[in-house]
Amino acid sequence: GAVVSQHPSWVICKSGTSVKIECRSLDFQATTMFWYRQFPKQSLMLMATSNEGSKATYEQGVEKDKFLINHASLTLSTLTVTSAHPEDSSFYICSARATERNYGYTFGSGTRLTVV
Amino acid sequence: GIQVEQSPPDLILQEGANSTLRCNFSDSVNNLQWFHQNPWGQLINLFYIPSGTKQNGRLSATTVATERYSLLYISSSQTTDSGVYFCAPGGTGANSKLTFGKGITLSVRP
Repeated sequence: GAVVSQHPSWVICKSGTSVKIECRSLDFQATTMFWYRQFPKQSLMLMATSNEGSKATYEQGVEKDKFLINHASLTLSTLTVTSAHPEDSSFYICSARATERNYGYTFGSGTRLTVV
Repeated sequence: GIQVEQSPPDLILQEGANSTLRCNFSDSVNNLQWFHQNPWGQLINLFYIPSGTKQNGRLSATTVATERYSLLYISSSQTTDSGVYFCAPGGTGANSKLTFGKGITLSVRP
């Protein structure tokens, strides 16, 4: 139980284009989802907290206009990297928690974004 | 925010050996998880362990919340145990976030 699906697993895009990453909770409802970013050989850094039906809460230093988050339903949050640049290339991971269960947080499989 | 320190940063083991991975954290927490990140980046939840001791096969974990540390034990290590191990303490509310340590890179050699 407590499965989080993330899509796509990897994407290559040209500079200046936008990329959308989806995060779905498959067997539970998630009013809150989290988006992390991970650079090679580094830890996970929280980018933002996605709240269903309201605006996301961004961590300090994260550009909200570049990383658009939409949490339109209890099972889906999306992260859109707008006007992507090579420095946006990274591994993006989402997570959610089935609060009614005692599993802790479950993570998606991640999306490896390469901007060329 | 919470400061998380994991040690050792790197660990090389011979297959079959045992090891202990440590996680120290700076504040009181109501949640702590251990994850294994495989070579493809997938984070596997090993333990949800805000306190006490749990065991799952060759792995076990202990968190002493009052002393702000947690330990992950790996016994009879296998090459498939290689990867990065993260400790992530946090709160228990729906909006509570996890703070990740820098990770421990484990290499198990055949």
